[in-house]
Amino acid sequence: QQPVQSPQAVILREGEDAVINCSSSKALYSVHWYRQKHGEAPVFLMILLKGGEQKGHEKISASFNEKKQQSSLYLTASQLSYSGTYFCGTARLMDSSYKLIFGSGTRLLVRP
Amino acid sequence: GAVVSQHPSWVICKSGTSVKIECRSLDFQATTMFWYRQFPKQSLMLMATSNEGSKATYEQGVEKDKFLINHASLTLSTLTVTSAHPEDSSFYICSAEGPLPRQGNTGELFFGEGSRLTVL
Repeated sequence: QQPVQSPQAVILREGEDAVINCSSSKALYSVHWYRQKHGEAPVFLMILLKGGEQKGHEKISASFNEKKQQSSLYLTASQLSYSGTYFCGTARLMDSSYKLIFGSGTRLLVRP
Repeated sequence: GAVVSQHPSWVICKSGTSVKIECRSLDFQATTMFWYRQFPKQSLMLMATSNEGSKATYEQGVEKDKFLINHASLTLSTLTVTSAHPEDSSFYICSAEGPLPRQGNTGELFFGEGSRLTVL
């Protein structure tokens, strides 16, 4: 039931672009994206609440295809600070409450 | 922004002892908090949902008698790992829904700093 992310890992040079995909076999109510640095708690990036919604924060943006139960995170002109593990989280209605289930994670390394 | 604080950040204990981890929402009330566990190089796995004033809801495969959760107030949830063993060594992270209107969907989750437990 855990969302599947791809790729598992990616190495970029500073300034290059990357796309991280998240797909679920279950219906999605919303998709969250987080970035986690080693040994730290996840840091919130954005939430997508509606199918077809797209959001952006600086040079990081995301899209949500509700019908396909997929979301993608786009990192443009990557910076060294983008390095970390990216997790998508999908909200599911379980036991009468919404719970956030995290994907498998994508490790991103940006090199100079 | 909403702040969630966890304590302790690091704890080392002997096998067989119990360890309590606290999760506090500092500037907002959290009726629901979530406890996650993360093993090295793995994802965050939801352990349980902590509800203020009622019993926690545990995910499948999580032993409720081993991981005791208490949510006695709107700003504090505690996770007690009872009779800890080396395989319980992990990074435990709590989170709380922020003060956002739900509108049928979860709002942003605010995470604590995490607690790294090492059981010798």
